[in-house]
Amino acid sequence: EAQVTQNPRYLITVTGKKLTVTCSQNMNHEYMSWYRQDPGLGLRQIYYSMNVEVTDKGDVPEGYKVSRKEKRNFPLILESPSPNQTSLYFCASSPNRDTEAFFGQGTRLTVV
Amino acid sequence: AQKVTQAQTEISVVEKEDVTLDCVYETRDTTYYLFWYKQPPSGELVFLIRRNSFDEQNEISGRYSWNFQKSTSSFNFTITASQVVDSAVYFCALRDAGNMLTFGGGTRLMVKP
Repeated sequence: EAQVTQNPRYLITVTGKKLTVTCSQNMNHEYMSWYRQDPGLGLRQIYYSMNVEVTDKGDVPEGYKVSRKEKRNFPLILESPSPNQTSLYFCASSPNRDTEAFFGQGTRLTVV
Repeated sequence: AQKVTQAQTEISVVEKEDVTLDCVYETRDTTYYLFWYKQPPSGELVFLIRRNSFDEQNEISGRYSWNFQKSTSSFNFTITASQVVDSAVYFCALRDAGNMLTFGGGTRLMVKP
């Protein structure tokens, strides 16, 4: 089954404790991206990747890192999480930047 | 910079009513793509439609229809004879010449029986 898989689905952590949210897709898509969803703000793009080893900042990259060492994986790293990073996070992939995105099921992160 | 505005934050209708969700966008590019996604209460994001800037033909898919008007920079979404299962948050999104996808703030649609 074609899918984008994020883990974990739910995470509660403390300020400053490094964490990684994994994202994997099995569709051989080139384009992958991360979004955060906050009430009233819709989804905002954090980082995106056009292909392996090619990543770039989106609208709200501060406090986040990503890597794209393999085509299928695109982890989101929070080196020192803060409470303002409490949000619902989505990973997405698409064959290229102009086609529709397939989204993962979301990761609800709470930083206390 | 590109921008997408969904002015209606919440809409409440009674089942079988028609409802239109508005989407207005801003871009300087002549080539761009517009999308609509649905987020039901379960939380996943479901793709509904993609439209490129050179195709102004309106589209109908069952009870759903989309009206794309470049002259007013709008890409509105109409649900005919709404059903309770249509209750969700709907997002409009824009991708222009840049590599980012910009979403509107979303419209929460509540369809009451």
